[in-house]
Amino acid sequence: DTAVSQTPKYLVTQMGNDKSIKCEQNLGHDTMYWYKQDSKKFLKIMFSYNNKELIINETVPNRFSPKSPDKAHLNLHINSLELGDSAVYFCASSQGGSGGAPDTQYFGPGTRLTVL
Amino acid sequence: QKEVEQDPGPLSVPEGAIVSLNCTYSNSAFQYFMWYRQYSRKGPELLMYTYSSGNKEDGRFTAQVDKSSKYISLFIRDSQPSDSATYLCAIQGSSNTGKLIFGQGTTLQVKP
Repeated sequence: DTAVSQTPKYLVTQMGNDKSIKCEQNLGHDTMYWYKQDSKKFLKIMFSYNNKELIINETVPNRFSPKSPDKAHLNLHINSLELGDSAVYFCASSQGGSGGAPDTQYFGPGTRLTVL
Repeated sequence: QKEVEQDPGPLSVPEGAIVSLNCTYSNSAFQYFMWYRQYSRKGPELLMYTYSSGNKEDGRFTAQVDKSSKYISLFIRDSQPSDSATYLCAIQGSSNTGKLIFGQGTTLQVKP
């Protein structure tokens, strides 16, 4: 009954390859996100989708392409992988804030990508 | 200048110590101030949040926001080894939806 799940958990690949990471949430949330966490633990948003529509698209190389087949899934495809893409990628989901409460985001366990 | 600055540490304290974790931010439009806790090899999880200025207490944890100086703090009383984790401050804009801006995270180790 995992709330936000990601596959794979670990991904080791060569430079230049293309890879995908999948994310699924069973919380019924409308919004999903991709974050990148670098080796210094700095966590930065990459993309956000609301009900399959792209709403946040940060300054990310266009080798990264998110795809949302439905509101419970958000996948991340990376073309022509580079050494600098090595990081932990987190998927998250949220339902939106209400009243005085913020938009709490629920994170998946992360995908540790290593590019050799 | 980053929008949110946080000392990455690491911070090592003995069990039972009071821990103070801090962040500064640059944009006065931010309204929601959150602390996420991230255990090793896990995703971050929301620990607590504060709306606008003031304090909020939850058990051994107290979150504090001073909007005049753009400074947010998390205090942990009677720290336990199970508190060993990375603590990330996060800021959200006035719309209370969407984009979170995180600090770099402070790694805390509580030694028994």
